[in-house]
Amino acid sequence: AQSVTQLDSHVSVSEGTPVLLRCNYSSSYSPSLFWYVQHPNKGLQLLLKYTSAATLVKGINGFEAEFKKSETSFHLTKPSAHMSDAAEYFCVVSEAGSARQLTFGSGTQLTVLP
Amino acid sequence: DAGVTQSPTHLIKTRGQQVTLRCSPKSGHDTVSWYQQALGQGPQFIFQYYEEEERQRGNFPDRFSGHQFPNYSSELNVNALLLGDSALYLCASSRRQTQETQYFGPGTRLLVL
Repeated sequence: AQSVTQLDSHVSVSEGTPVLLRCNYSSSYSPSLFWYVQHPNKGLQLLLKYTSAATLVKGINGFEAEFKKSETSFHLTKPSAHMSDAAEYFCVVSEAGSARQLTFGSGTQLTVLP
Repeated sequence: DAGVTQSPTHLIKTRGQQVTLRCSPKSGHDTVSWYQQALGQGPQFIFQYYEEEERQRGNFPDRFSGHQFPNYSSELNVNALLLGDSALYLCASSRRQTQETQYFGPGTRLLVL
């Protein structure tokens, strides 16, 4: 069975400072991993995905994540936060590829302070 | 190119009623998945349809059923509504053979009174 644990339910940073959103996963197979973002009253948008290629994955809007198999982690980072980054972020795992069942974490609410 | 569309955007029902939600996939996509997102939680997988058949199912009771049409659009039906069914229902589409990323629609917000 696959599962995802997002270690922080809320993260607050100042604009211009780095962002770190932590995610650990559990999977019986080689997983595909994703980060999705959800802005208020909007749908889910894919930030980036890992599918067994390069372990450092670059996404949209300056976000990136590193797949660490030994630590079963897939943390999301951004060097400098922008006010528009304030949203709910979900770490997601799929054991059978991108088109199959996605298992979501409980989410991390990111607040960006001016 | 239209993305994933869902209708209606909002819906209010009472306990015991039945509801049907609709989803049109992104152009070129043949697989539709449905997710339930309760307030303050991450989305949970309900089921996935491909070639008009249910291919995978999450841990949801039989009150939740679906259908996929020849044009790849899909419906989610929920019978005997409970207060706990109040949630945002998300539809996602993808292209099964290419393992392409799932694209999500804006969702239908269901309130059960």
